[in-house]
Amino acid sequence: AAGVIQSPRHLIKEKRETATLKCYPIPRHDTVYWYQQGPGQDPQFLISFYEKMQSDKGSIPDRFSAQQFSDYHSELNMSSLELGDSALYFCASSLTPAGTDEQYFGPGTRLTVT
Amino acid sequence: DAKTTQPNSMESNEEEPVHLPCNHSTISGTDYIHWYRQLPSQGPEYVIHGLTSNVNNRMASLAIAEDRKSSTLILHRATLRDAAVYYCILRDNNNAGNMLTFGGGTRLMVKP
Repeated sequence: AAGVIQSPRHLIKEKRETATLKCYPIPRHDTVYWYQQGPGQDPQFLISFYEKMQSDKGSIPDRFSAQQFSDYHSELNMSSLELGDSALYFCASSLTPAGTDEQYFGPGTRLTVT
Repeated sequence: DAKTTQPNSMESNEEEPVHLPCNHSTISGTDYIHWYRQLPSQGPEYVIHGLTSNVNNRMASLAIAEDRKSSTLILHRATLRDAAVYYCILRDNNNAGNMLTFGGGTRLMVKP
């Protein structure tokens, strides 16, 4: 079965650079979520989209922005990167945003900022 | 979101049952109890969810207390592959765009 696809899987950037992470949800899933997981920490919710509109916002820095496109894929744009942005970034998708629908997670993008 | 409390870590022997507890004394009537797990170096993975009745699926069973203030995830025969951090999460079905709030999961170690 198709899973959530994230690209790239690994990314190395320098401080103050920009990065773009991509997420391709499972076909027919219209809801996408982004999570950040720092070293030794639990995943933290950043932002979500439903039907191409932002639906919820978590602890996402102002330097980050995201959108969901007409084909339902999503991109997380990160500017003025800081050392503290080094983390695993997971994308998840669900069939609907309902609280009963399970979220399927991608393998993550490991971002290293040097 | 209502808060959950889980033990930091638990240990089990391979092929024995494992009972992972979760307390959620402030649960509301519309909160579903979800369990996710995260294996090393992987994204979180859905395990099971329920509202009031006990639930079974191919991965696990979920036993929910009658007053819904606690629940237990049951792995019937632990394998080495079940070593992971298990998160008990409450999700309000009335709240669209439902994010998952991960925190304070149980790290399960399985001994051969």
